[in-house]
Amino acid sequence: KNQVEQSPQSLIILEGKNCTLQCNYTVSPFSNLRWYKQDTGRGPVSLTIMTFSENTKSNGRYTATLDADTKQSSLHITASQLSDSASYICVVSAAGGSYIPTFGRGTSLIVHP
Amino acid sequence: EPEVTQTPSHQVTQMGQEVILRCVPISNHLYFYWYRQILGQKVEFLVSFYNNEISEKSEIFDDQFSVERPDGSNFTLKIRSTKLEDSAMYFCASSVLLGQPTNTEAFFGQGTRLTVV
Repeated sequence: KNQVEQSPQSLIILEGKNCTLQCNYTVSPFSNLRWYKQDTGRGPVSLTIMTFSENTKSNGRYTATLDADTKQSSLHITASQLSDSASYICVVSAAGGSYIPTFGRGTSLIVHP
Repeated sequence: EPEVTQTPSHQVTQMGQEVILRCVPISNHLYFYWYRQILGQKVEFLVSFYNNEISEKSEIFDDQFSVERPDGSNFTLKIRSTKLEDSAMYFCASSVLLGQPTNTEAFFGQGTRLTVV
């Protein structure tokens, strides 16, 4: 069964600090992995998309890494800001056959001043 | 900047009633999706729609659900006879311009909060 596990479940950091969120998946065969940011009560917003051949992708202060061998991804946030407080969701899609994406439960990040 | 718009933002309905959730995807996008998120839980895929037909659907998307693209701009989700457990945030999304690869980002709407009482 395809699964996406994220850790930690929640994280509190001080403004200006860096943090790293983890995503492990068992989706196979792998097509792509996406990180989304979801503010409370809002729709998810795409941060990065990574395919099998990509190891790292950056979007401003967000850097995602992918290790397709170990089926792990991380999202690193640099110099956190108060507006980074949100849920960060890892989503993995399979190749061929069913497109249906598998969502992780998300990591709830709170940035304190 | 183009965006996906959903209406209404909040819908309250009685159990057993039919509801229609409306979405206007980004113009010229080819793929359309519905997701739901029960309060405190993860986002769940319901259905994807391409070329005027359903391309994928999850186990959640049973006979009570249907989707339609009645005209060139709207994309609707109908729940035929709502149950209490249908209470959730429903998100519409769209992706892929003609010529783009299919693994491009999906743009989500702000959601419709459905409350079944």
